Amino acid sequence: SYVLTQPPSVSVAPGKTARITCGGNNIGSNSVQWYQQKPGQAPVLVIYHDSDRPSGIPERFSGSSSGNTATLTISRVEAGDEADYSCQVWDINNDHPIFGGGTKLTVL
Amino acid sequence: QVQLQESGPGLVKPSETLSLTCTVSGVSVSTYYWSWIRQPAGKGLEWIGRIYSGGNTNSNPSLKSRVTMSVDTSKNQVSLKLTSVTAADTAVYYCARDGGWLQPLEYWGQGTLVTVSS
Repeated sequence: SYVLTQPPSVSVAPGKTARITCGGNNIGSNSVQWYQQKPGQAPVLVIYHDSDRPSGIPERFSGSSSGNTATLTISRVEAGDEADYSCQVWDINNDHPIFGGGTKLTVL
Repeated sequence: QVQLQESGPGLVKPSETLSLTCTVSGVSVSTYYWSWIRQPAGKGLEWIGRIYSGGNTNSNPSLKSRVTMSVDTSKNQVSLKLTSVTAADTAVYYCARDGGWLQPLEYWGQGTLVTVSS
C-alpha cells in the first residue's frame, strides 16, 4: 500500500521559516493536503490541492509538491503555529485518503 | 456554517460493537461524501471509511470486514459501526465532510474518544 513519510519533529525559532516534508512515491502526481492539529483539537485543513489555501488560513502557509516530496512551508513562524502537521494524499488504487504519520512543529 | 458533532458511548467492551453518530448542521448529508477517521493516542490519523447518501460506501481494506456505515437524511446524520472491537480500536474518532476523489476533508467534527476495555 502507499506510504507517506514525515519527519517526527521540526523545530524553528519565531519569525523564521519552517519546512515540513512529506515523502511518497511520485507524490507530485497526486493531490496533497495538509492538516494542522493542536493538542486536544480536531485537524484543520491548511493547504489543499498541493498549494491552495482555504479561506481564513494566513498567507504565511504555503505548499508545494514535486517528484517524491511535498513540502509545507510556514513563513514568519509564530508561537501559535506550534502543532502537529499531517499530509494526506489519495491511494489511487484503493480510492481512499491516506495520511502521513504527522510532524510535531516546535517553536523555540 | 458547516458543523459536525460526533456522539456515542465512550467505553466499549472487547468483542462488542462500537457505534457512533455524526450529526451534521449547515449542509444536507444528501450532498458530499462523509468520512470517518480515527487517531490512537500519540499516533497518526487513520481513515476508516466513507459513505455517500445514496448508500455507496468505501472502507479501509484493513477494517473493511468490520465496518458498517449508514446515512439518515431525516436526522441529517451519518453513523459508523465497528464490530468485534479490541484494545487496538481505542482512539479518538472523527467524522469529516469528504469532497470525494482527490478532494480534501474540509470540515471535521471535534472528535470523540472511544476506549475499548472490560
